[in-house]
Amino acid sequence: DVKVTQSSRYLVKRTGEKVFLECVQDMDHENMFWYRQDPGLGLRLIYFSYDVKMKEKGDIPEGYSVSREKKERFSLILESASTNQTSMYLCASSLTGKTQYFGPGTRLLVL
Amino acid sequence: TQLLEQSPQFLSIQEGENLTVYCNSSSVFSSLQWYRQEPGEGPVLLVTVVTGGEVKKLKRLTFQFGDARKDSSLHITAAQPGDTGLYLCAGETGTASKLTFGTGTRLQVTL
Repeated sequence: DVKVTQSSRYLVKRTGEKVFLECVQDMDHENMFWYRQDPGLGLRLIYFSYDVKMKEKGDIPEGYSVSREKKERFSLILESASTNQTSMYLCASSLTGKTQYFGPGTRLLVL
Repeated sequence: TQLLEQSPQFLSIQEGENLTVYCNSSSVFSSLQWYRQEPGEGPVLLVTVVTGGEVKKLKRLTFQFGDARKDSSLHITAAQPGDTGLYLCAGETGTASKLTFGTGTRLQVTL
């Protein structure tokens, strides 16, 4: 059974804190993605990775960084959280040309 | 940045009614996917359409890809409460299967 897990379902952080969001997939997929989801805006791609240690910017990378040291794990880092980063964060993985499988999401509130 | 506009943004209908959701863009996509997302979960793929003019049916759901591969529609016949959710279209651009998501249509079906 396909599985993408995210480290937290809910997170509350303070402005200026460093935040780590972890995503793990057990399907040996080469591609992994981080999106944020906001009402009326759909899903917007932050970063994606097509191989270990490889990363590419998506549409809204500002204020974020990522790390992919192992194939199954893709981390999203907020170096200094700000209130406008309050959002739902979704991780996904896929084989090239195939379906993207999503995790359940992390709802982040930055106070 | 490629944009996918969905309409309507919200739809509240009664059980048994029919509805159509539209997904429009000025860009050409190699494929178009439709996802449904339920509260507290990540999006789940419903269908992928690849060929211009293609029509796919999934029980009471009918998906169509425009001839020019720039737009798509989702038609639901005799909606049921179980169809309630957020419907997202997504266009594939071919780079590591990167997807551009639409703005979403939130559907509520009541008894």
